[in-house]
Amino acid sequence: NAGVTQTPKFRVLKTGQSMTLLCAQDMNHEYMYWYRQDPGMGLRLIHYSVGEGTTAKGEVPDGYNVSRLKKQNFLLGLESAAPSQTSVYFCASSGGFGYTFGSGTRLTVV
Amino acid sequence: ELKVEQNPLFLSMQEGKNYTIYCNYSTTSDRLYWYRQDPGKSLESLFVLLSNGAVKQEGRLMASLDTKARLSTLHITAAVHDLSATYFCAVDMGGSQGNLIFGKGTKLSVKP
Repeated sequence: NAGVTQTPKFRVLKTGQSMTLLCAQDMNHEYMYWYRQDPGMGLRLIHYSVGEGTTAKGEVPDGYNVSRLKKQNFLLGLESAAPSQTSVYFCASSGGFGYTFGSGTRLTVV
Repeated sequence: ELKVEQNPLFLSMQEGKNYTIYCNYSTTSDRLYWYRQDPGKSLESLFVLLSNGAVKQEGRLMASLDTKARLSTLHITAAVHDLSATYFCAVDMGGSQGNLIFGKGTKLSVKP
């Protein structure tokens, strides 16, 4: 049982480049979330989804877009990366009780 | 807006000592989580506290929840080096979408 899988695990981008982070869950969870973690800041919610085809903004959505075309996948896109988006990104899913986190993606924007 | 405050943010302990991490939150919630994170790793779920007065224990860690005071505590008994990590509390917003609001974390270092 894989749980929540994030790809890639590491990435270095140049300012202005774009990329997509993929989150896949195999638990048939309705809810999925993207967080970013910065030193001393805890985890902050970027976007979330309450089901296939739905997305909503979290606390820090600027500069990011998301899509949930399939229930098991939640994609996080950076259209034009900025150094301020250097962070560790965590995906999580929930079936209504408890949360399962992925292993994280460490993104550096230079 | 729900705010979650943890203190202390840094904690250096000697092995064998006891200590408590506090988690205060600003809005009514009856579900609180504690997580552990090792450097470069994901979050490991420690406890889920679901109601007022809930107390859970696992090894040297004990967590409690007082929903009236909007306070949760994580008590460490007779600390050992293996407990060195960052500990987060997270309050569940509930509602139709759930969502966790995290504290900033407490970085615990246990020294011999």
